[in-house]
Amino acid sequence: QKEVEQNSGPLSVPEGAIASLNCTYSDRGSQSFFWYRQYSGKSPELIMSIYSNGDKEDGRFTAQLNKASQYVSLLIRDSQPSDSATYLCAVSTGGGNKLTFGTGTQLKVEL
Amino acid sequence: KAGVTQTPRYLIKTRGQQVTLSCSPISGHRSVSWYQQTPGQGLQFLFEYFSETQRNKGNFPGRFSGRQFSNSRSEMNVSTLELGDSALYLCASSEGDQNTIYFGEGSWLTVV
Repeated sequence: QKEVEQNSGPLSVPEGAIASLNCTYSDRGSQSFFWYRQYSGKSPELIMSIYSNGDKEDGRFTAQLNKASQYVSLLIRDSQPSDSATYLCAVSTGGGNKLTFGTGTQLKVEL
Repeated sequence: KAGVTQTPRYLIKTRGQQVTLSCSPISGHRSVSWYQQTPGQGLQFLFEYFSETQRNKGNFPGRFSGRQFSNSRSEMNVSTLELGDSALYLCASSEGDQNTIYFGEGSWLTVV
């Protein structure tokens, strides 16, 4: 079983719609959770971090964490073509800054 | 603040050679970690250095090594290159423990 799982997609949504990206993780001891966006040929860029159960909003982005279900999600409201990218879920376990990444979900926002 | 800086950005090496990649973290960040990204395996953790000490290590062979200097700058070395080492190598820095990590632009390594 992979430690961090994401649907590879592609997930296609029309412009202006809500995109919902999901991630599950296997280590119950995980403490910190991150979403990164990666455009083709570029490096990952931090979108959101979340540490406690519930929702965290930042502009058009909302991260949701449910530790009991070992599930973290990212909602993108009013999706724009510029949001088209691969979204990587990352989980931190143990000490230090070692992150375990999912394989990413490719999002396509269509005009 | 300047971001994480990696050099070189692109390089081509021959099988059997060795390569050294360099990373300058964000000013004030003491943790530097390295990741390998390939289409098949995704983003995989190589190792993390904090205050010149290796704090975490991923599941890579001993051909992959790294170090950190007193100014927090870091280098990673890959010896006896194999074709499968062709990848994007990403350096990330963080202020301390369990903090958000920020990636550099990466070094694209092609082994021929």
